Amino acid sequence: DSGVTQTPKHLITATGQRVTLRCSPRSGDLSVYWYQQSLDQGLQFLIQYYNGEERAKGNILERFSAQQFPDLHSELNLSSLELGDSALYFCASSRPGQGGGEAFFGQGTRLTVV
Amino acid sequence: AQKVTQAQTEISVVEKEDVTLDCVYETRDTTYYLFWYKQPPSGELVFLIRRNSFDEQNEISGRYSWNFQKSTSSFNFTITASQVVDSAVYFCALLDRGSTLGRLYFGRGTQLTVWP
Repeated sequence: DSGVTQTPKHLITATGQRVTLRCSPRSGDLSVYWYQQSLDQGLQFLIQYYNGEERAKGNILERFSAQQFPDLHSELNLSSLELGDSALYFCASSRPGQGGGEAFFGQGTRLTVV
Repeated sequence: AQKVTQAQTEISVVEKEDVTLDCVYETRDTTYYLFWYKQPPSGELVFLIRRNSFDEQNEISGRYSWNFQKSTSSFNFTITASQVVDSAVYFCALLDRGSTLGRLYFGRGTQLTVWP
């Protein structure tokens, strides 16, 4: 158990809909990262938050957004969903000053858009 | 630019064989970290090892060993006496100072199948 909790584990929704994925980082970790894993693109970094503030953006679509709350949990919002958004979405967390520290990953949310 | 290449898409071996998974990386930074993760069929990403660029000592952990060679920008992973439970996708990843702290660059993964 990595200590990173993601909910839900599975999500099936229709095109055009909006969903919210939730992540609770390990205790003491201030950074949260979101990654998308698809067959086409592999594991791609989406966005990072550090202590409530956006720190970096990767290949995140404009239809996607995220935030990190004061209790450090994070949510990834995906809207106007398309079939191609079907993927496994991972959240990871790490500690400050843990440069090179391993990012601990949650079990992922498998999103299926039909 | 940072890049990780895992040229082997799929590898199949029979139980008890040794198998090596290759990883080649690119970075302009002199300080960086390399990782291996395992993704079993259940889907989670399991951390296996982290090495920093200043430590080229090979590491052994049970049946797992890692060979880090800066001269060839490689960080290969060997499983000795493979077992069926080793069947998974294995990812190599890079983190360097040129990237945002903690952001990992992943290879495309190698699907390892171990047959009984």
